[in-house]
Amino acid sequence: DTAVSQTPKYLVTQMGNDKSIKCEQNLGHDTMYWYKQDSKKFLKIMFSYNNKELIINETVPNRFSPKSPDKAHLNLHINSLELGDSAVYFCASSQASGVASTDTQYFGPGTRLTVL
Amino acid sequence: SQQGEEDPQALSIQEGENATMNCSYKTSINNLQWYRQNSGRGLVHLILIRSNEREKHSGRLRVTLDTSKKSSSLLITASRAADTASYFCATDAASKIIFGSGTRLSIRP
Repeated sequence: DTAVSQTPKYLVTQMGNDKSIKCEQNLGHDTMYWYKQDSKKFLKIMFSYNNKELIINETVPNRFSPKSPDKAHLNLHINSLELGDSAVYFCASSQASGVASTDTQYFGPGTRLTVL
Repeated sequence: SQQGEEDPQALSIQEGENATMNCSYKTSINNLQWYRQNSGRGLVHLILIRSNEREKHSGRLRVTLDTSKKSSSLLITASRAADTASYFCATDAASKIIFGSGTRLSIRP
């Protein structure tokens, strides 16, 4: 059984479009995250939700909007896509509630977004 | 600014040799984690070492932590082809985990 799943795995789209990436975890974890990994493999946290509540919101453009319908799902919607948004986006989850520093994070397989 | 930085950025060794990669960080931590990322995949947790621990083992992995130098090392003994991957250290800062940019390890047959 897949623990953390993301769809789609690949996403190719034109500049200016709006797209969504979906994430689901079946681990019963309380906290979910979105990370962006750039071409140099640097992984940066974007958002974190705990029990559907936003707890971390890094300095990302407000074109990025996470949505958590329940604690098992955290979707990422991106408006007006730009070339610089091209990256691999990872969803992750952990058991932590609140501070995640001591908890293992479980990652999804990633979504490779290419903006043309 | 980055909390954790790995060194070297890339490492190529012969199968069977040991691989050592290092991580340096800037601020005080509660713990440090190491993750592996195979090409085209998500990160997989390998080991966590707490700030009051100096060394930890898990199978062929050995992690050390020197809080006075703000550094950690990951040693993989008797490397195998399947160890080819990128390895990331992750430290906690400001209530979140921050990842470095990783060490790309290649194991030559």
